[in-house]
Amino acid sequence: GQNIDQPTEMTATEGAIVQINCTYQTSGFNGLFWYQQHAGEAPTFLSYNVLDGLEEKGRFSSFLSRSKGYSYLLLKELQMKDSASYLCAPMDSNYQLIWGAGTKLIIKP
Amino acid sequence: GAVVSQHPSRVICKSGTSVKIECRSLDFQATTMFWYRQFPKQSLMLMATSNEGSKATYEQGVEKDKFLINHASLTLSTLTVTSAHPEDSSFYICSARVTGLAGGPTDTQYFGPGTRLTVL
Repeated sequence: GQNIDQPTEMTATEGAIVQINCTYQTSGFNGLFWYQQHAGEAPTFLSYNVLDGLEEKGRFSSFLSRSKGYSYLLLKELQMKDSASYLCAPMDSNYQLIWGAGTKLIIKP
Repeated sequence: GAVVSQHPSRVICKSGTSVKIECRSLDFQATTMFWYRQFPKQSLMLMATSNEGSKATYEQGVEKDKFLINHASLTLSTLTVTSAHPEDSSFYICSARVTGLAGGPTDTQYFGPGTRLTVL
């Protein structure tokens, strides 16, 4: 079956660094996406990994290990506006995104 | 690039009425669009895949006669919730499949802002 495992909720302090881990199992693999979703809003695209390694994009970085079925999203210099849910979404062999419930990140001053 | 709009953003209707939601790709052509539903604190649930010029593919458990999807052009897909009931109240989100975006993933989805449906 297809499965995604992320922590339900995390708390971090403004200005700090936080790493959100994701493990997955899919039927085939065509890359892994991270989306940000603020409460009451639709998801917005953050990052994409298809090869092993780290992709850096400003304050956000995403890492992928295909052999381990593992990814993480690293957020640096946290700001209050980063409070949101973060969705790890692998793409399966049919190019469909597989969605879990995401990780709710709470930023405290 | 890759902007997706959705209309209306919010709708309140009486039980038994039908509601149409529009999803548009503004600066690109989308041969494939997806319709999702999301209940509070739950994950996105794919309802159907909409392909331009052909019938939509519905996920298991989604009633195709209740959730009518039309994708008549490369920039517009519509979802009509027929005879809506309170249990249909949810956040409906469309996304458009984007391939070959310069500087981006070879295949991904960009989301519309969503439509919050409340059925009284």
